[in-house]
Amino acid sequence: SQKIEQNSEALNIQEGKTATLTCNYTNYSPAYLQWYRQDPGRGPVFLLLIRENEKEKRKERLKVTFDTTLKQSLFHITASQPADSATYLCALVSLDSNYQLIWGAGTKLIIKP
Amino acid sequence: KAGVTQTPRYLIKTRGQQVTLSCSPISGHRSVSWYQQTPGQGLQFLFEYFSETQRNKGNFPGRFSGRQFSNSRSEMNVSTLELGDSALYLCASRLDGTGVTGELFFGEGSRLTVL
Repeated sequence: SQKIEQNSEALNIQEGKTATLTCNYTNYSPAYLQWYRQDPGRGPVFLLLIRENEKEKRKERLKVTFDTTLKQSLFHITASQPADSATYLCALVSLDSNYQLIWGAGTKLIIKP
Repeated sequence: KAGVTQTPRYLIKTRGQQVTLSCSPISGHRSVSWYQQTPGQGLQFLFEYFSETQRNKGNFPGRFSGRQFSNSRSEMNVSTLELGDSALYLCASRLDGTGVTGELFFGEGSRLTVL
């Protein structure tokens, strides 16, 4: 079956360290993958998009990688800050899904001062 | 430019009632999608509208319906409410509705509680 998985356990990181979140998928032919940030009680906010033919994308302290062989995307936040604490969602767009986004359940990131 | 606006933000209903939620997309955006979010379930896709036509539909019962108006504003309706319908309902718009890489812009959501 097709699924997209993120670590359901909260990730606790010390301030200043790099936080790395994982998004794994199975049985999809991805066209591209997006990452969003969601704060409690708010709608998700778009962060980055990476296409299936791109290995890496950067934006300020954020970096996303996409490995179609491993069927995995990694999302990195360098020099993490308490304000980065939120739930991070990955969403995959597949050729099989009529371009609808298929969402992971999200990983809660907690940055400790 | 104003963001995606959803109304109402909070509402409480009882089982068996119906509810209508409204979404005004960003000006110029013609695609509007609706999602249900519950703790532990992530975002569950309800449907997408583009130019007043439902283009995609998720796996929800017929009690969930929607529509889009000529000004791109959208409404979703849930009839015969059940306790399990309690959730945050999110609306998202995007610029291009042709299924390409456009990012989604979400509203703040409508928090529905069914008693």
